[in-house]
Amino acid sequence: QVQLVESGGGLVKPGGSLRLSCAASGFTFNDYDMSWIRQAPGKGLEWVSYISNRGGTIWYADSVKGRFTISRDNANNSLYLQMNSLRAEDTAAYYCARVKAVAAVFDFWGQGTPVTVSS
Amino acid sequence: DIQMTQSPSTLSASVGDRVTITCRASQSISSSLAWYQQKPGKDPKLLIYRASTLESGVPSRFSGSGSGTEFTLTISSLQPDDFATYYCQQYNSYWTFGQGTKVEVK
Repeated sequence: QVQLVESGGGLVKPGGSLRLSCAASGFTFNDYDMSWIRQAPGKGLEWVSYISNRGGTIWYADSVKGRFTISRDNANNSLYLQMNSLRAEDTAAYYCARVKAVAAVFDFWGQGTPVTVSS
Repeated sequence: DIQMTQSPSTLSASVGDRVTITCRASQSISSSLAWYQQKPGKDPKLLIYRASTLESGVPSRFSGSGSGTEFTLTISSLQPDDFATYYCQQYNSYWTFGQGTKVEVK
């Protein structure tokens, strides 16, 4: 069965960095585009970044452009999000999600990894 | 940027009720609209995409309709497992979610 497991979240000071990972299993990872979505505590969902199946197309939300970098390692079935220059407003649970093949929606999500940016 | 607005923000209902949630887009998104269900502490679950296509495994009491800028999610007969927060999402231009509609026990 499809599984997405995020890791790497934690407490970081403003201006600091974190690297999130998402380990994928149960499907042919290099056939699927992937995304990161976040959810601030008690708030709604916000799309963060997208990467195509071979990594040739990458998009970012304006709120993270220039600070976050998405990447993937198809040999190791892994997705990453490098987060630099973190701000308090980046505090959220970060989910990795698979993009459905027939429509650009998110059909499988991980359980999320929490990121807290605070001094 | 395309903005998505859901109404109501909170909906109080009883088991067996017919429930309707509305989602409006700030500009036409054709049928590029999805609905998700999220329970506290859990990841979102895809219910519907292309405005009205039911995701595999989703009960048939869920249905979606609309196109352009106005969309609805209907639960024909609310079940105990359906108390949750529902989000619409456009995928016509990148991805934007509505603010969510919490369906609570009346």
